[in-house]
Amino acid sequence: GEDVEQSLFLSVREGDSSVINCTYTDSSSTYLYWYKQEPGAGLQLLTYIFSNMDMKQDQRLTVLLNKKDKHLSLRIADTQTGDSAIYFCAEKSPGGYQKVTFGIGTKLQVIP
Amino acid sequence: DAGVTQSPTHLIKTRGQQVTLRCSPKSGHDTVSWYQQALGQGPQFIFQYYEEEERQRGNFPDRFSGHQFPNYSSELNVNALLLGDSALYLCASSLAKLQFFGPGTRLTVL
Repeated sequence: GEDVEQSLFLSVREGDSSVINCTYTDSSSTYLYWYKQEPGAGLQLLTYIFSNMDMKQDQRLTVLLNKKDKHLSLRIADTQTGDSAIYFCAEKSPGGYQKVTFGIGTKLQVIP
Repeated sequence: DAGVTQSPTHLIKTRGQQVTLRCSPKSGHDTVSWYQQALGQGPQFIFQYYEEEERQRGNFPDRFSGHQFPNYSSELNVNALLLGDSALYLCASSLAKLQFFGPGTRLTVL
């Protein structure tokens, strides 16, 4: 079955890069996602990567996928205070259905 | 283009009561999924609706039921509420491989 694991907390200084890591168990996952959740809000889709890709870059965000180790990371360049939030790694079940399994979330704290 | 909308924003109920939460998907999206997010946890998949049918279900009891209407909007019903049902309930709509979430309904059961 699917399981997604993340570390709980990350603290970085404003202007530094942040790297949030995630491991997943389902080797047949087709899509992997990063969502951002600010206090009291819903989830915002930040970026995603298809399982046959190694890397995807989107402005300040870089996603790296190591399929062999089932490891996914999100790098945020030039981290700003507005990036403070909880970041969720998630994987999509294979097949036509769209069930998405989420990790527990990593709380990113950006220190000015 | 309005995104996913949910109502109400907040709700307080007592144990044993029933509740209905509503979701309107993003324009053009035909699939609606519901998730429960307990405090400090990631969202847990409840079920998904497509073409007015429940097509996949997570590990939730039958007290949780839903419905999808011809205009693709959806309802989540929870019967015989328990204290442990207190959570943020999130609706997500999708057309292809990407799910977009609404702001959620915060349910408190006393």
